Amino acid sequence: NAGVTQTPKFQVLKTGQSMTLQCAQDMNHEYMSWYRQDPGMGLRLIHYSVGAGITDQGEVPNGYNVSRSTTEDFPLRLLSAAPSQTSVYFCASSYGVYSYNEQFFGPGTRLTVL
Amino acid sequence: AQKVTQAQTEISVVEKEDVTLDCVYETRDTTYYLFWYKQPPSGELVFLIRRNSFDEQNEISGRYSWNFQKSTSSFNFTITASQVVDSAVYFCALSEARSYIPTFGRGTSLIVHP
Repeated sequence: NAGVTQTPKFQVLKTGQSMTLQCAQDMNHEYMSWYRQDPGMGLRLIHYSVGAGITDQGEVPNGYNVSRSTTEDFPLRLLSAAPSQTSVYFCASSYGVYSYNEQFFGPGTRLTVL
Repeated sequence: AQKVTQAQTEISVVEKEDVTLDCVYETRDTTYYLFWYKQPPSGELVFLIRRNSFDEQNEISGRYSWNFQKSTSSFNFTITASQVVDSAVYFCALSEARSYIPTFGRGTSLIVHP
């Protein structure tokens, strides 16, 4: 099992550009989520999904879109990048539809917006 | 609303010292789950432990131990005889039973000097 994979590992964008961060898991987990990690702020949930076709907002959803067309994939889209979106992004997945199970994290994507 | 406080931003110890990382939580739910995750310098997040609110038994795993006290709403993590490889950021997290959104603390950076 590859676990949770994320691409790219690093990305530099200019303000206003759009891009998609890819996330895939091969554990057949229902629950998938995206977090951003900023210095001194811990991990904050952006969006989550409890299954194919079902997504919802987390704590900091503004400026991001998600979709879940398959169980395996959960891409995160930045519509118009802003410097405030400079962060490290983690995708995670877990068994079940609630967030009380162990989460498996991807390696992260370090995004810089100039 | 759920909240997790890790008051220690950074702890510095010398190898072989014991160290305790504090975690205090707030929740109105009677059923909830507490977690610890480790983030070594390489950046990935690794699950360490999960406890539910009905199990206050202390847990020991090698040099790691966890003390869960509902009376003080704390879930503290102790590393005995610390090693350089323990250097990492440690996150405490909370998820209520039927929640889709876990809450992470801001993390404690542990530096173990040789």
